[in-house]
Formats: sequence, structure tokens, C-alpha cells
Amino acid sequence: KNQVEQSPQSLIILEGKNCTLQCNYTVSPFSNLRWYKQDTGRGPVSLTIMTFSENTKSNGRYTATLDADTKQSSLHITASQLSDSASYICVVSASGMTTDSWGKLQFGAGTQVVVTP
Amino acid sequence: ETGVTQSPTHLIKTRGQQVTLRCSSQSGHNTVSWYQQALGQGPQFIFQYYREEENGRGNFPPRFSGLQFPNYSSELNVNALELDDSALYLCASSSPGSNEQFFGPGTRLTVL
Repeated sequence: KNQVEQSPQSLIILEGKNCTLQCNYTVSPFSNLRWYKQDTGRGPVSLTIMTFSENTKSNGRYTATLDADTKQSSLHITASQLSDSASYICVVSASGMTTDSWGKLQFGAGTQVVVTP
Repeated sequence: ETGVTQSPTHLIKTRGQQVTLRCSSQSGHNTVSWYQQALGQGPQFIFQYYREEENGRGNFPPRFSGLQFPNYSSELNVNALELDDSALYLCASSSPGSNEQFFGPGTRLTVL
């Protein structure tokens, strides 16, 4: 069973509207959680990284929240733009991960966001 | 742009053939990881290389192999291609002590 579950699987929103994506994880012990944006056919690009002690982090119109107690994170997109159309992937790493253990990252399947005019 | 480049961009092969994918890491990065991403799924870790040695491997068979060169560029080789090998192959590079890795644009492999 995947240790990182994302919802919804996909959503369609109107340009200018807000939306929130969810990520639930069971990875333990937890170290940090990342949100990536991946345009179709391209590599993922990091939006935010949050450690255990951080509850919220923003990157422009993207705001990520983290509740390490309930093992939930959300990514909020404000005033969506057509360029926000992409897959958003939640990635969780366990404590003790060093640079020789990138294989211990747990990737979610992503939420496909389509922004329409 | 992350500074990580991959070639080729697209590739079409037939079942049973062999393929080599290439990755140039970002300057100063000595660790390269390779991932396979099927359509609609998150990336799956294949393996990683650190200073020319494989030091981590995911649940992939031995026909997936790799190399890292002294300039830290890397290759992914896949032998005896199967239809299920069709995917986007991503490489990512990172520097010592960093908790961030940077992905390349990927190579789209289609196996017919």
C-alpha cells in the first residue's frame, strides 16, 4: 500500500478561482514533506519543503500546510492561472534520510489540475 | 530550468531491444538518481549513484543498470525491453549534505 495518498485524483477549476489539494501519509518517523509541480512530459519542480516543526509555507500563490499529528498536508492555489495546469505531487521522507538514500522518498501519485478559461 | 539535462527527449524502441538514456547533472552535484514514471503515477525510484558507485536501488530487475562518470553525468541502460517499460524516465541530481534534488525534463520511452 502506498504510504502517500493524494486527493482528489484530478480536478478542473475556472481561471481565477482557488483550490486545495490534499495529501495524507503514513510514513514514520517523518522528516519532511515536499510539494512538486510537474508540467505534462516534464520533470517535477519543487514548490515547498516543510519539516516537522513547520505548519505552513508559501511560494507565491502556492501555500502548503502541514499537520504532523494527523499526518496530513494540503496545497492551496490562490487565484489560479492557466499556467497552474499541471500535476501536483506530494513527497514524504522519513527521518534519518541522508543524501545517499533518495530511494527512501515516498511519492504520491499526484493530483492533476486543469485550469480552464 | 534546473540545470539537469537529459537526452534524448523521446525514444521509440521495440520489445527485446536495449536502450541507453543519458543525464547531465547540475554543476557541483555528485549524486544522481533515476526514476521511472508511468502515466498518471508518481515517480518510482530505480537507483542512485554517488561518486561513480551505485549506493541505493529500488525494486527493479537487473536488466536496469547504470553508470556514473567522473564528471558525474550518468547513464541508465535497460536491456530486453518490455512493453511495461514504456514510461517517462527522470534523473535528479543533488549535492552533498543537501536535502533537495533537482529533476531533469525526462526522456519519454515508448516500447512497441
